Amino acid sequence: GAVVSQHPSRVICKSGTSVKIECRSLDFQATTMFWYRQFPKKSLMLMATSNEGSKATYEQGVEKDKFLINHASLTLSTLTVTSAHPEDSSFYICSALRDNEQFFGPGTRLTVL
Amino acid sequence: GNSVTQMEGPVTLSEEAFLTINCTYTATGYPSLFWYVQYPGEGLQLLLKATKADDKGSNKGFEATYRKETTSFHLEKGSVQVSDSAVYFCALRDSNYQLIWGAGTKLIIKP
Repeated sequence: GAVVSQHPSRVICKSGTSVKIECRSLDFQATTMFWYRQFPKKSLMLMATSNEGSKATYEQGVEKDKFLINHASLTLSTLTVTSAHPEDSSFYICSALRDNEQFFGPGTRLTVL
Repeated sequence: GNSVTQMEGPVTLSEEAFLTINCTYTATGYPSLFWYVQYPGEGLQLLLKATKADDKGSNKGFEATYRKETTSFHLEKGSVQVSDSAVYFCALRDSNYQLIWGAGTKLIIKP
């Protein structure tokens, strides 16, 4: 149990376009989900905490207008990278909270050309 | 604030060698401590955890003991295998259930 999926696993887009990444908890409901960004050979950086039915809480330095998070249901949170630029290229990971433990998705590799 | 420091990698060992990956933390209160593993091409998986001082977490032959006096949670395995090659992350969970991460240590096991 406690499986989290992400879609797509890999996406390449042109600069200036928007990209949506989905995070789903497949076998449990998650009131809270987290979005992370992982840079090459670096640790995970928490971007925001997503709560179902309310606005996401963004970490300091993360642009909320650029990284739009929607948690419309107890099994789905989406991260939309708006007007993506090459510096947004990264590995994005989500997690879902269940019984005070985070379960992670496999990640999405975003490449902005 | 809370932070986690773990040894830099890569760590390269031969099969059946003894493994230690050091992890120390700074935190207010008594956080829960975790080791996560990220195998090549896969997502993060919880390897083991400990929720209070002197607890020992163990899984798949790996162990780590929550040492409050030294604020450490070192990961150990007595005999590593090639399949243990991965990136290992030490983390602590704060009072808001957020995870504070170490930088990760890449482990390479050679046959």
